[in-house]
Amino acid sequence: RKEVEQDPGPFNVPEGATVAFNCTYSNSASQSFFWYRQDCRKEPKLLMSVYSSGNEDGRFTAQLNRASQYISLLIRDSKLSDSATYLCVVNTYTSGTYKYIFGTGTRLKVLA
Amino acid sequence: NAGVTQTPKFRVLKTGQSMTLLCAQDMNHEYMYWYRQDPGMGLRLIHYSVGEGTTAKGEVPDGYNVSRLKKQNFLLGLESAAPSQTSVYFCASSRTWTSGGARSHEQFFGPGTRLTVL
Repeated sequence: RKEVEQDPGPFNVPEGATVAFNCTYSNSASQSFFWYRQDCRKEPKLLMSVYSSGNEDGRFTAQLNRASQYISLLIRDSKLSDSATYLCVVNTYTSGTYKYIFGTGTRLKVLA
Repeated sequence: NAGVTQTPKFRVLKTGQSMTLLCAQDMNHEYMYWYRQDPGMGLRLIHYSVGEGTTAKGEVPDGYNVSRLKKQNFLLGLESAAPSQTSVYFCASSRTWTSGGARSHEQFFGPGTRLTVL
């Protein structure tokens, strides 16, 4: 079983739609959680950190459920520019070192 | 402030050739990482460094070596390239900070190196 699992998609949604992605992780000792965005043939960039209490950044809302070991990302009022691959990232801090585990990503296509 | 830069951007090697990929960051970050990204596999950690003069193995270190002689540079070497090493290589550095009692961490990636081994 992969340490971080995501539905690869693609999710094809019309402009203005709301779309949600889920991600599950297997290591209960994981401490930090993130969503990164990666455009085609570009490097990943941090979209938002995910906190236990849930957090919102404009049209984006991230939630963490530690008991069920999953993370979600909700995008409201989708824009064409939201088309990208969204990477779920889990971080564990052990023995003084941070280790990141990346999901394979979920592709989103927002259609005009 | 250039962030994280990588050279070269593209490279084609023949099996058995060697090369070094250079990563540089100007953000004074302690941590640096080398990843490879293959279709359907996600990013996989090759090696990482928690500070100048230190390196450690990641998930897929075989066939690669690294050095961190200066804090701002992290080099990835392929001694004898194989077709299985055809991939996109990303370097990253990271910072940590504390906000409201919570520790947070962010990685900054370079633009990537596309390597093809024939």
